[in-house]
Amino acid sequence: GAVVSQHPSWVICKSGTSVKIECRSLDFQATTMFWYRQFPKQSLMLMATSNEGSKATYEQGVEKDKFLINHASLTLSTLTVTSAHPEDSSFYICSAREGRQRTDTQYFGPGTRLTVL
Amino acid sequence: DQQVKQNSPSLSVQEGRISILNCDYTNSMFDYFLWYKKYPAEGPTFLISISSIKDKNEDGRFTVFLNKSAKHLSLHIVPSQPGDSAVYFCAASDRGSRLTFGEGTQLTVNP
Repeated sequence: GAVVSQHPSWVICKSGTSVKIECRSLDFQATTMFWYRQFPKQSLMLMATSNEGSKATYEQGVEKDKFLINHASLTLSTLTVTSAHPEDSSFYICSAREGRQRTDTQYFGPGTRLTVL
Repeated sequence: DQQVKQNSPSLSVQEGRISILNCDYTNSMFDYFLWYKKYPAEGPTFLISISSIKDKNEDGRFTVFLNKSAKHLSLHIVPSQPGDSAVYFCAASDRGSRLTFGEGTQLTVNP
């Protein structure tokens, strides 16, 4: 099946620093990538949707200046958490979809655990 | 507000028996539903889906049932196997690409 990787798998950073998380589709071209975050014992919450070559669409309540998303190629999207604070500590998961239909399968990465001290 | 709810955080069943995982939703615009399975340290993997024009979809040991009037769906796994032990998420979408997930149910299948 299709494989999506994320790097790093975990990161610890100091408050005020920026952290970049990469999401790659390894064996297919992803026209659309999604970024989610998950707090303990809660569901995955969609943060933003990005299509290759265009600006990301952010969900209500997600600060676009804080969570910068770049989808520069069909196999790579990055999420940069700028000026991270302890409340940004969470599990961030990306997914990638090859087709443009909403019924096309989203393939998920393994997630990145971010801890902000 | 939580538009997709999985009220049982955990479920334990015996190997060979049926596992039934439940999911309720509130948004009547949802018309496509999915189940994902997640092992520790891995991302969710797609399991099975159902469109609102159907009330049942079957794939091997996995069957999803949809009751639109009750805004309820369920995933049946039969027979259950120890390798099925994982967290199961239901998800729903309306006309857009956005998936709304439930909180997940930890299934444990005991040998």
